[in-house]
Amino acid sequence: VQLLESGGGLVQPGGSLRLSCVVSGYGLMFDRYGMGWIRQAPGKGLEWVSGISGGDTISTYYADSVKGRFTISRDNSKNTVYLQMGTLRAEDTAVYFCAGRPGALPVYFDYWGQGALVTVSS
Amino acid sequence: EIVLTQSPATLSLSPGERATFSCRASQSLSNCLGWYQHKPGQAPRLLIYGASNRATGVPARFSGSGSGTDFTLTISSLEPEDFAVYYCQHCNNWPPITFGQGTRLEIK
Repeated sequence: VQLLESGGGLVQPGGSLRLSCVVSGYGLMFDRYGMGWIRQAPGKGLEWVSGISGGDTISTYYADSVKGRFTISRDNSKNTVYLQMGTLRAEDTAVYFCAGRPGALPVYFDYWGQGALVTVSS
Repeated sequence: EIVLTQSPATLSLSPGERATFSCRASQSLSNCLGWYQHKPGQAPRLLIYGASNRATGVPARFSGSGSGTDFTLTISSLEPEDFAVYYCQHCNNWPPITFGQGTRLEIK
């Protein structure tokens, strides 16, 4: 299973950005994967940002630090998960990793992408 | 929110030695805890889930133990490729999911 993030870049404070993560792999049943986004700010540790369940009923989950500003979604026809980021702040600057697991709930992260750098600066 | 505290912050050991990492939770997690290895510029790697289950492809020198609030990751005999940062992560009573602050394993 491979994950490939895209959409990172430089954005001004208050701006928006959408990250995409395409998941591929032989025999992949993407619709059954729980997916998440985890970030790492410069010189800091890992911080969970958001998650989305797989299966028949989709649920979304957010860290308090991004609730109301970020939206996670998925398009199972494209094997893709998105993170729409709005009202960006300097403290959102980080490498954003897409991660997932073959189970409905995104509680562990078996597979990871290489990360997308988001820089919020004027 | 559950807080995970890892110790020590840095561990200095030589290849062949045994490494022990500690993760303490602010409340009971049952066994809902994972461990990850992270090398600079790479994606993190899941090592252990459910406190003691090795993820697919993880060598047998890695083992996890513990329950409740105290958990341990042990590397029985360090290989050169094991030097990295190690994080614990809980999945009990979420969201939010939280990670510990990490333990850096460096070559002595």
